[in-house]
Amino acid sequence: AQSVTQPDIHITVSEGASLELRCNYSYGATPYLFWYVQSPGQGLQLLLKYFSGDTLVQGIKGFEAEFKRSQSSFNLRKPSVHWSDAAEYFCAVEPGTASKLTFGTGTRLQVTL
Amino acid sequence: GAVVSQHPSRVICKSGTSVKIECRSLDFQATTMFWYRQFPKQSLMLMATSNEGSKATYEQGVEKDKFLINHASLTLSTLTVTSAHPEDSSFYICSASAPGRVSNEQYFGPGTRLTVT
Repeated sequence: AQSVTQPDIHITVSEGASLELRCNYSYGATPYLFWYVQSPGQGLQLLLKYFSGDTLVQGIKGFEAEFKRSQSSFNLRKPSVHWSDAAEYFCAVEPGTASKLTFGTGTRLQVTL
Repeated sequence: GAVVSQHPSRVICKSGTSVKIECRSLDFQATTMFWYRQFPKQSLMLMATSNEGSKATYEQGVEKDKFLINHASLTLSTLTVTSAHPEDSSFYICSASAPGRVSNEQYFGPGTRLTVT
């Protein structure tokens, strides 16, 4: 069965600092990969997704993610974090057969001023 | 585009009563809708997948007689929590997907906070 690991439960960064959130997946083939953000009490907003092609994916709000097949990773990055980026971030995978998403456990990002 | 709404956003009900949550795709036809449950500070757990006009497929451990799902139209799915108990208190989120849109992308609703007293 597929699984998603987000090893960092909680990360704190200073505003203006760079950010990298880790995501590793376990699946036989390359799945579709997603990063979502959730503000407290809100639904999920899609930041970016990878289906195929260029392994560096650009998303909204200045985020990007890089798919590394050899490491089964899809880490999310942002060069300069803003205080408004404080939220919960979820990595998710889907086998690519129009079936269901499997979410990681999430990483809570705190931004200090 | 690709807006999904949920109603209500918050609901408080008494133990033993039933509550219905609606999930609507506002600007596209959703052949498939998903219902998730999220406990505080935890990830989303898929409860069931519903396809328009057919019975929902429930995940292991989810009681289909307790969580009734109806997907009667291409824009509306409902989740009814029957005989609710305090342990059913949670954040319920729906999502919708459709053929012809970006492959395999789910569009999420804003969630419904259910509190059972």
